[in-house]
Parts: sequence; structure tokens; C-alpha cells
Amino acid sequence: GESVGLHLPTLSVQEGDNSIINCAYSNSASDYFIWYKQESGKGPQFIIDIRSNMDKRQGQRVTVLLNKTVKHLSLQIAATQPGDSAVYFCAENASRRGSTLGRLYFGRGTQLTVWP
Amino acid sequence: EPEVTQTPSHQVTQMGQEVILRCVPISNHLYFYWYRQILGQKVEFLVSFYNNEISEKSEIFDDQFSVERPDGSNFTLKIRSTKLEDSAMYFCASSDGSARVRSYEQYFGPGTRLTVT
Repeated sequence: GESVGLHLPTLSVQEGDNSIINCAYSNSASDYFIWYKQESGKGPQFIIDIRSNMDKRQGQRVTVLLNKTVKHLSLQIAATQPGDSAVYFCAENASRRGSTLGRLYFGRGTQLTVWP
Repeated sequence: EPEVTQTPSHQVTQMGQEVILRCVPISNHLYFYWYRQILGQKVEFLVSFYNNEISEKSEIFDDQFSVERPDGSNFTLKIRSTKLEDSAMYFCASSDGSARVRSYEQYFGPGTRLTVT
């Protein structure tokens, strides 16, 4: 069945360093991937997404890389700040009839801790 | 910025009791979802709802669960007879669903922590 998982459950970085959070997925039919950030006591917050026809997408301080050959997704955060400390989830969606409005499959999450 | 809201933030109930979790999706959104997250585990899809009917549900969403949009703003999840294993954080989400750019993004509420004793 479909599954999305993470290589590392925790990641600690120094403020100002770059962070890389990894994710593996198993459903080759998935064509839409999202990274969410979840702070303590809050719901998942959208960070960035990418469709399967792309291999890289950049946002503000974040970059998502997609390697469909090995079914791997990564989130890069540049100049990590203490406010970036949170749990990061990757999620995937397999569109039906061209729509990506269906269920999301989430990975287990990586706890990012940023030290001053 | 518009946001999804959920009430209550924490609900404690006894096993076998019925609970209703409430959500107010973003006002112009057309697609609604419920997810849950058992402590320490990943977020799991329960159900999606569009045009006043369930569009998709997971294997978790059995006969004990139901969803309803009783009026133009609320979206509720009812658990008829709660079990200990229903204890989790329940998240509501909504999507625009229109033809506009980024209309597929799911916006999540802050969650309701359900504790079944």
C-alpha cells in the first residue's frame, strides 16, 4: 500500500546553518507532494509543494527536491532560524481524474530543533 | 488571513459516549476533510466531503463515524460510541477547490484533542 516515511526522526542544527529533511515514498502513482510544518499545539501548516512533473521548487528560504527515480523528497531550509523549530511532515497525494483534492498520506514527521 | 477554526480544543469523554467535534472551514472553500493524529504517530486521513456528501473515506472511518454540514458554515465529525483507541488529535481541513491557482492546498485547523477514558 501507499506509505510515506522519513529517514530521521530528529534533526538538530545551529542557527544560521542550512537544514535538510528527507522523506521517502512508495506509491509511484503519487503526483503531488507537500511539506507541512507543525508547531506544538497547532495544526499542520503548508510550507511548499511540488508536482511530479518538476524536480525542484523554491520558496522563501525553502527548496523542495523531488527524485522520482528513487522516490525521494527533501526539504531544504536555508539559514535556519529558531522559529523554524517544529515537526516537519511530508505528504503525498495521488490525483484522481486530474484533481489533487483527495486524501493526503502523511509521513511520520521529523522534529527539527534549532540551537542559538 | 482566513483560517479554519475548531471547537472544542480539548474534549474528555467516557468510553461509549457520543462526541461531536466541530469545525468552521474557510468561508469560500468547497472541500472539507477530517484527519486524526494519535500521539507520536503520523497524521491519518479519515474522510473528505464535497457537495454535501462524502467523496472519500479511509478504513478508519467505520460506521461509528459520521460527518455533517448542518448549515452553511459548520462541518462536524460525530463518533457515536467512543473507544479508548479513538483518543487522538482530530484535525479539520478545507480546500478552495475552484479553478484558481493553488486552490488544492489543504488548510488545517488547530485540532481538537479527544481523550477517551
